[in-house]
Amino acid sequence: DAGVIQSPRHEVTEMGQEVTLRCKPISGHNSLFWYRQTMMRGLELLIYFNNNVPIDDSGMPEDRFSAKMPNASFSTLKIQPSEPRDSAVYFCASSLDRGEYNEQFFGPGTRLTVL
Amino acid sequence: AQSVSQHNHHVILSEAASLELGCNYSYGGTVNLFWYVQYPGQHLQLLLKYFSGDPLVKGIKGFEAEFIKSKFSFNLRKPSVQWSDTAEYFCAVTGSGNTGKLIFGQGTTLQVKP
Repeated sequence: DAGVIQSPRHEVTEMGQEVTLRCKPISGHNSLFWYRQTMMRGLELLIYFNNNVPIDDSGMPEDRFSAKMPNASFSTLKIQPSEPRDSAVYFCASSLDRGEYNEQFFGPGTRLTVL
Repeated sequence: AQSVSQHNHHVILSEAASLELGCNYSYGGTVNLFWYVQYPGQHLQLLLKYFSGDPLVKGIKGFEAEFIKSKFSFNLRKPSVQWSDTAEYFCAVTGSGNTGKLIFGQGTTLQVKP
């Protein structure tokens, strides 16, 4: 089992540029979560999908952030335009929703630096 | 408001010392509770979880946690830590039956000196 796959692992970009983070959940999982981790705010849930449908995006900080899940095996988190305060580690996680809470499996994260 | 509070931000212990990391939560209704660990440079891994039943939960690597409903607490314990336990530890909560929205604590960095 390959686990949750994220790419890129590291991204350095300049302010104003568009950034796209990618996630491949564990095969068979039907829930996908995007988190952001910073020193100041800790781990925050940005958005989660169930069966490819966004369920709760209340954690998305502002309109510059958008997330999509076009199919069960792929999701993107896009920041446009990026700002230095977006620098953080972004984690993707997936789980199998069987009607009760199930363990979320986390990917290795993407470390984003916006200069 | 739903929240998780971890009292210790940075803990330094010598090998073989006992560990207890505090976690208190604020969440209406029945909860599911978790402890995750993040080793340096790695992703989060589940240590243990509580859904229902025995409030004393045993996890991997000799860790355990006790759910005390009256105190809204879910403290993590290990009788004897090892250098390899050096990591950041996160307590998290979600509502029972809620398949999303894990609420994480701020994390506790544990440093174990050899």
